[in-house]
Amino acid sequence: EVQLVESGGGLVKPGGSLRLSCAASGFTFSSYSMNWVRQAPGKGLEWVSSISSSSSYIYYADSVKGRFTISRDNAKNSLYLQMNSLRAEDTAVYYCQGNDWGTDHDYWGQGTLVTVSS
Amino acid sequence: DIQMTQSPSSLSASVGDRVTITCRASQGIRNDLGWYQQKPGKAPKRLIYAASSLQSGVPSRFSGSGSGTEFTLTISSLQPEDFATYYCLQHNSYSYTFGQGTKLEIK
Repeated sequence: EVQLVESGGGLVKPGGSLRLSCAASGFTFSSYSMNWVRQAPGKGLEWVSSISSSSSYIYYADSVKGRFTISRDNAKNSLYLQMNSLRAEDTAVYYCQGNDWGTDHDYWGQGTLVTVSS
Repeated sequence: DIQMTQSPSSLSASVGDRVTITCRASQGIRNDLGWYQQKPGKAPKRLIYAASSLQSGVPSRFSGSGSGTEFTLTISSLQPEDFATYYCLQHNSYSYTFGQGTKLEIK
């Protein structure tokens, strides 16, 4: 069974930092591009960042560029998101997602809530 | 960046109705588009990939069509479990972009 389990969310003050983790199992993690997608309370989905299978290609949404860093450890089947200089508008549920766009392989975690508030 | 304009933003329909949701891309994206269903408190679930391919395990009442800039998701006969919010996602170029969402409600 495919599983993606996020952790590391919580309450943080504006300007603070948080590191999200996503543990993958049940599929060949090292073969998949991985993404972080977020959803602010009551709002739609927003793509945050992507990393290719070998970490050769990394992309960020303009809203997080320069503040967030995506990384992965294929030996540990894990994906990470280091979030610095957090703002109130970063408050959201953060989902870990893996996919192979040309196939029906599309995997999501259950999400982890990040709340940025003083 | 590619913008995705999804319509309508909300829709009231009855069980058994046929409904169509549209996404328009600000520039051509070939068929690099998926459709997702999301229920409250749950992660999104992909229904359609590559614009028109049905995800494994998804009922055949869901279908997708389109290429280039205009795409549609059709539900041929609404079932009670289909009332949810639907999103399109383009992955033709970074950054990926979701549509604004369509909330499908029971009439």
